[in-house]
Amino acid sequence: GAVVSQHPSRVICKSGTSVKIECRSLDFQATTMFWYRQFPKKSLMLMATSNEGSKATYEQGVEKDKFLINHASLTLSTLTVTSAHPEDSSFYICSARHGQSGNTIYFGEGSWLTVV
Amino acid sequence: QKEVEQNSGPLSVPEGAIASLNCTYSDRVSQSFFWYRQYSGKSPELIMSIYSNGDKEDGRFTAQLNKASQYVSLLIRDSQPSDSATYLCAVSQNTGRRALTFGSGTRLQVQP
Repeated sequence: GAVVSQHPSRVICKSGTSVKIECRSLDFQATTMFWYRQFPKKSLMLMATSNEGSKATYEQGVEKDKFLINHASLTLSTLTVTSAHPEDSSFYICSARHGQSGNTIYFGEGSWLTVV
Repeated sequence: QKEVEQNSGPLSVPEGAIASLNCTYSDRVSQSFFWYRQYSGKSPELIMSIYSNGDKEDGRFTAQLNKASQYVSLLIRDSQPSDSATYLCAVSQNTGRRALTFGSGTRLQVQP
């Protein structure tokens, strides 16, 4: 089946620094990728929709200047958490829609971010 | 009102029994429905998708959809301890961004 790879799987960063998370569709082209955040024992909350070649669409309440999304190619989207704070510590998950497979959405493995 | 609602559980069933997981949604224009399984600390994995009213079976899993009642369910037959996980219901529209909206998940515990 289609594979979406996310990197890094775990990252620890200091408060005030920035960290970048990559999401790649390995065997298909994804014009649209989605970024979710999940706090412990909570559901996945959509942060933004990443569109190849154009600006991302952010959900209400998500700061676009803090969570920078870039979708420069059909197989790669990146999420950069800028000026990280401990409350940004969470599980970040990307997903990609496979247009040639009935628009099925495949998830990456997720990235655990801990801000200390 | 939450867009997608699930009982958080935990739902505890003995090994070999049928587990029944339920989900309701509020947006009547939702047209695609999914069940994902998520193990602790891991990313969700797709179990079933269903798009039209009725039942859809895949192995031990059966998804049921009733659009009039805005209700979708997942039955797991012959439950195994390895089925113990959180099951997430997700819905999307077939137009626009088609992003998935998730419920909060139901934690299933299958007792050996």
